[in-house]
Amino acid sequence: NAGVTQTPKFRVLKTGQSMTLLCAQDMNHEYMYWYRQDPGMGLRLIHYSVGEGTTAKGEVPDGYNVSRLKKQNFLLGLESAAPSQTSVYFCASSRGLSYNEQFFGPGTRLTVL
Amino acid sequence: AQSVTQLGSHVSVSEGALVLLRCNYSSSVPPYLFWYVQYPNQGLQLLLKYTSAATLVKGINGFEAEFKKSETSFHLTKPSAHMSDAAEYFCAVILDQTGANNLFFGTGTRLTVIP
Repeated sequence: NAGVTQTPKFRVLKTGQSMTLLCAQDMNHEYMYWYRQDPGMGLRLIHYSVGEGTTAKGEVPDGYNVSRLKKQNFLLGLESAAPSQTSVYFCASSRGLSYNEQFFGPGTRLTVL
Repeated sequence: AQSVTQLGSHVSVSEGALVLLRCNYSSSVPPYLFWYVQYPNQGLQLLLKYTSAATLVKGINGFEAEFKKSETSFHLTKPSAHMSDAAEYFCAVILDQTGANNLFFGTGTRLTVIP
């Protein structure tokens, strides 16, 4: 099993450009999450999904959109990138019960100039 | 409101010394608590979790944590530090056990192990 994979690993954007980050999991997990990690701030939840076709806002959703058309994939979109979105983005998935751990991908390092 | 507080953004210990990483939480309901470790340029990996079964929880790599309700704490310990323990450690809590089970993370503690 590959677990949770993220594409791409690195990306540099100019302000105003758009991009989509792809997260894929092969564990048949119901729940999926997108986080951003910034120095000194830990991980903050951007959006999450509790099942195929459903998405919801997390703690810091502004400037991002998500889609979960297939159970195994969770896409994070930036329509008009801003320097404040420079961060490391992590995707995670879990079986959904509250005591189940979340499995994390390796991260995407995004720089917006 | 801060749900999880990790005291000390950086902790240094000598190889073979005790590791103690502090975590305090705030929750009006019994929490589920987790410790994750992040090695450089990698994602997060679960070390251990507390789900109300036992207050002393043993995890991977010799780590353990004790849930103390009276102190609202869930400190992480390891009797003897190894060079390979150098990493960033995150405490996290699930507050809403009826919803999406979202994790709230502390700001992290970077552990340095001195040879």
